[in-house]
Amino acid sequence: GQNIDQPTEMTATEGAIVQINCTYQTSGFNGLFWYQQHAGEAPTFLSYNVLDGLEEKGRFSSFLSRSKGYSYLLLKELQMKDSASYLCAVNSNYQLIWGAGTKLIIKP
Amino acid sequence: EAQVTQNPRYLITVTGKKLTVTCSQNMNHEYMSWYRQDPGLGLRQIYYSMNVEVTDKGDVPEGYKVSRKEKRNFPLILESPSPNQTSLYFCASSLNSGGFTDTQYFGPGTRLTVL
Repeated sequence: GQNIDQPTEMTATEGAIVQINCTYQTSGFNGLFWYQQHAGEAPTFLSYNVLDGLEEKGRFSSFLSRSKGYSYLLLKELQMKDSASYLCAVNSNYQLIWGAGTKLIIKP
Repeated sequence: EAQVTQNPRYLITVTGKKLTVTCSQNMNHEYMSWYRQDPGLGLRQIYYSMNVEVTDKGDVPEGYKVSRKEKRNFPLILESPSPNQTSLYFCASSLNSGGFTDTQYFGPGTRLTVL
């Protein structure tokens, strides 16, 4: 079967750095997305990785290792507004497989 | 403003009463999709459409219908809703390539309760 694993919940402190991991076992791989979803709102796009390595975009970075079936989203200089769920999704043979999401709680 | 709109945002209905959730996008996107989101399960695709008059089943199509008569609209129809269809529903669109490599833009969501 196809599976994506993310931690259910994480807690971090305002101003700190947090890394949210995503591991996947899929029949194919054509890219990996990260989306942010605030409670009760729609998901919004954060990043897309198709090649191995780190993609940096401001305070957010996303890393991919295809050989390990692993990705992480790194959030720096955490702000209270970063409290949200972070969804990992894999394009597997032109089907998007979604993880259940990681709820990130930011404490002052 | 580029956006995906859904209506209604909230709906409480009873078992068996047909309902339609509308979805419209103003970005001239080819690809549109419906998802449902349930706690602990992540987003699950119901139906998707690669273009006008082309629709395909996603992972959980049972109990749902869709149509794509115009590029901008992609309504979701529940002919005979049941309590297990109580969920948060999202419509999404992307420019092309079936949303698989393109960023998807999501509507605000419709929270449906079936009693």
